[in-house]
Amino acid sequence: DIQMTQSPSSLSASVGDRVTITCQASQDISNYLNWYQHKPGKAPKLLIYDATNLEVGVPSRFSGSGSGSDFTFTIISLQPEDIATYYCQHYDNVPFTFGPGTKVDIK
Amino acid sequence: QVQLVQSGAEVKKPGASVKVSCKTSGYTFISYGISWVRQAPGQELEWLGWISAYNGHSNYNTNYAQKVRGRVTVTRDTSTSTAFMELRSLRSDDTAVYYCARDSSSWGGRFDYWGQGTLVTVSS
Repeated sequence: DIQMTQSPSSLSASVGDRVTITCQASQDISNYLNWYQHKPGKAPKLLIYDATNLEVGVPSRFSGSGSGSDFTFTIISLQPEDIATYYCQHYDNVPFTFGPGTKVDIK
Repeated sequence: QVQLVQSGAEVKKPGASVKVSCKTSGYTFISYGISWVRQAPGQELEWLGWISAYNGHSNYNTNYAQKVRGRVTVTRDTSTSTAFMELRSLRSDDTAVYYCARDSSSWGGRFDYWGQGTLVTVSS
């Protein structure tokens, strides 16, 4: 199985800060990488698909980059409503595994 | 608008089975797959299984995580635009919130709309 790692596991930043999360796959997954936002008590929300594509309706302050085994997720200017846990997830083959998550909160 | 509405919370005893439903609306049901994902308390998200969009030949394809293969079955009913996930031989570590998600990848793995989640508690 492909293992996904994320760092940091949590972070605290100020409103307006740039936030960066990294995700690494245990092998080359091309660009088959998605990013989700998950708020407590709610369903996860797809933000970025195929490593770099912004899902329809998602604010442009969110972006993704990378290919192969190293990926980055960025929030250009952190907003209070961005408080959540963010997960990367590959879909190169089964099982489709998620990273352990990065919890983001406001300083 | 696309909606996936799941059945309510369940409490089951070890060894029992549970069947969670996921009623969809707002899109052409047969054109998209459905995946099931769970999250145990304090744990990360875990993909369980996938049923494809209608493939025009043998109806639908399925694929399952090795961890639950043999205990889980994912099905779909075109007449009601509803998907189902049945998990058998329940154990305490199956206690989790179970989500269905519309899957927009042709081989599975891109979850673009999610249900609200169903809490399944396994306890004696």
